[in-house]
Amino acid sequence: GAVVSQHPSRVICKSGTSVKIECRSLDFQATTMFWYRQFPKQSLMLMATSNEGSKATYEQGVEKDKFLINHASLTLSTLTVTSAHPEDSSFYICSASGDRQAEQYFGPGTRLTVT
Amino acid sequence: KQEVTQIPAALSVPEGENLVLNCSFTDSAIYNLQWFRQDPGKGLTSLLLIQSSQREQTSGRLNASLDKSSGRSTLYIAASQPGDSATYLCAVGAGTASKLTFGTGTRLQVTL
Repeated sequence: GAVVSQHPSRVICKSGTSVKIECRSLDFQATTMFWYRQFPKQSLMLMATSNEGSKATYEQGVEKDKFLINHASLTLSTLTVTSAHPEDSSFYICSASGDRQAEQYFGPGTRLTVT
Repeated sequence: KQEVTQIPAALSVPEGENLVLNCSFTDSAIYNLQWFRQDPGKGLTSLLLIQSSQREQTSGRLNASLDKSSGRSTLYIAASQPGDSATYLCAVGAGTASKLTFGTGTRLQVTL
């Protein structure tokens, strides 16, 4: 089946620094990638949708200057949390799809802790 | 705005029981519906995908049904096992980008 990886799996950073999370589709070309955030004991909330070679589309309430998304190739998307603060601590999960109406395949997630 | 609700929020059953998890959504204009499993601190594992034109999908001990007109889906788990303990999420895909809206989840505990 389709495999999506994320790196790193866990990261701890100090307040004010930036953190980059990578999402890779390992065995298929992902025309669309999605980034989600999950707070403890809550469901996943979509942050943004990115198509290869295009600017990401952000959901209402998500700051595009704070959460920078780059989808430069069909197998890689990155999420950079800029000037991170403790309230950005969360579980970030990406998913990838090879077709707009196809199944989304999810990465294992990245646990971000901002101290 | 699509809203997805799952009932019950938590469920505990003894091993061997059959069980049903419920998912309801407010906007019936969907492309597909997916059921996922999430273990604590882990990512999502896709269980079943139902396209909007389908009424059900089966995989092993799992069966998912979809009734678009009433905005409901159920996940049936037969002969539950302790290894089935996890949080089960349903997600509705809609819009041109097939964005998923997730439900609130059902935490399942299967006891020995």
